[in-house]
Amino acid sequence: GQNIDQPTEMTATEGAIVQINCTYQTSGFNGLFWYQQHAGEAPTFLSYNVLDGLEEKGRFSSFLSRSKGYSYLLLKELQMKDSASYLCAALDSNYQLIWGAGTKLIIKP
Amino acid sequence: GAVVSQHPSWVICKSGTSVKIECRSLDFQATTMFWYRQFPKQSLMLMATSNEGSKATYEQGVEKDKFLINHASLTLSTLTVTSAHPEDSSFYICSARGQGDTEAFFGQGTRLTVV
Repeated sequence: GQNIDQPTEMTATEGAIVQINCTYQTSGFNGLFWYQQHAGEAPTFLSYNVLDGLEEKGRFSSFLSRSKGYSYLLLKELQMKDSASYLCAALDSNYQLIWGAGTKLIIKP
Repeated sequence: GAVVSQHPSWVICKSGTSVKIECRSLDFQATTMFWYRQFPKQSLMLMATSNEGSKATYEQGVEKDKFLINHASLTLSTLTVTSAHPEDSSFYICSARGQGDTEAFFGQGTRLTVV
């Protein structure tokens, strides 16, 4: 079956770095997305990886290893506004998004 | 990124009535639209996928006669929750994708409360 695993909740300190991991098993693979979702709001796009390696975009970076079925989202210089859920989603062979349950990130001062 | 507008942002309705939610792609042609439902503290659950001009494909367990989806144009899809019940109260989110695109863009979501 198709499955996405990511931690349920993580806590980090303002100004620090946090890495949110995601492993996936899908029928075919056409890339992996990371979304940020604040409570009561729709998800907003953070990154898309389809090739192996690290993509850096400001304070956020995303890494993909296709052979390992693994990705992570790296958040640097954490700010209080980064408190949100982070959703990992893989695009399968039918171009359907398979969603993880999301990782709730709590930032403490 | 492209803009997807979802309306209304929130709606309260009486049990037994129907509610229509609109999803519009404002600056691109959305050949495929996705409708999701999200319960509190849970991830997005895909309800159905619709391609313009075709009948929607519903996920297992989603009643197609209760959740009517229309995708009659390349810029508009609607979800109608018929005979709504309190258990239908949820956050409904649409996303739209253009021909040949991999990324789908999300609407703002609709908070439905059935009383």
